[in-house]
Amino acid sequence: QKEVEQNSGPLSVPEGAIASLNCTYSDRVSQSFFWYRQYSGKSPELIMSIYSNGDKEDGRFTAQLNKASQYVSLLIRDSQPSDSATYLCAVNKLGGSQGNLIFGKGTKLSVKP
Amino acid sequence: DAGVTQSPTHLIKTRGQQVTLRCSPKSGHDTVSWYQQALGQGPQFIFQYYEEEERQRGNFPDRFSGHQFPNYSSELNVNALLLGDSALYLCASSDRTGHSPLHFGNGTRLTVT
Repeated sequence: QKEVEQNSGPLSVPEGAIASLNCTYSDRVSQSFFWYRQYSGKSPELIMSIYSNGDKEDGRFTAQLNKASQYVSLLIRDSQPSDSATYLCAVNKLGGSQGNLIFGKGTKLSVKP
Repeated sequence: DAGVTQSPTHLIKTRGQQVTLRCSPKSGHDTVSWYQQALGQGPQFIFQYYEEEERQRGNFPDRFSGHQFPNYSSELNVNALLLGDSALYLCASSDRTGHSPLHFGNGTRLTVT
């Protein structure tokens, strides 16, 4: 079992819809959870971080964490074509520094005008 | 405010050769992490440097080595290049508190022929 798993997609949603991206992780002692956005040919860019169970909202983005189910998700409301990118879920394990993240393969999101 | 800068942007090498990639961290950051991102995969942690020492290391062979200089900049060296080393190499910086988000550079695209 991979440490961090994501559906590779592509996930296609119409403009204005809600995009839902999911991620599961295998290590129960994982502490910190991150969502990065990566445009084709570019470097990853942090869009959300979440550390405790529940929801965290930032503009059109909401991260949800359920440690009991070892599940973290990202919701993008009012999706725009500019949101089309690969979304990477990353986990920081207990004892791991901030710089040592375990990434999933990423989910490719396509927002159709 | 200069972000993370990496050089070169692209590099083509032959199997068996050696390569050196360079990274300057974001202003105010003193910790540098290196990642390898193969096509269609998420970034994979290689190692992290802090106070000119390797602090953590991922599952990479000894052919991968690094260095950090007093000005916090860093180098990644790969010896005896294999075709499988072809990837995007990402440098990320953070501060010593471990609480700042990772800032990624634009990466070096290495092609081994």
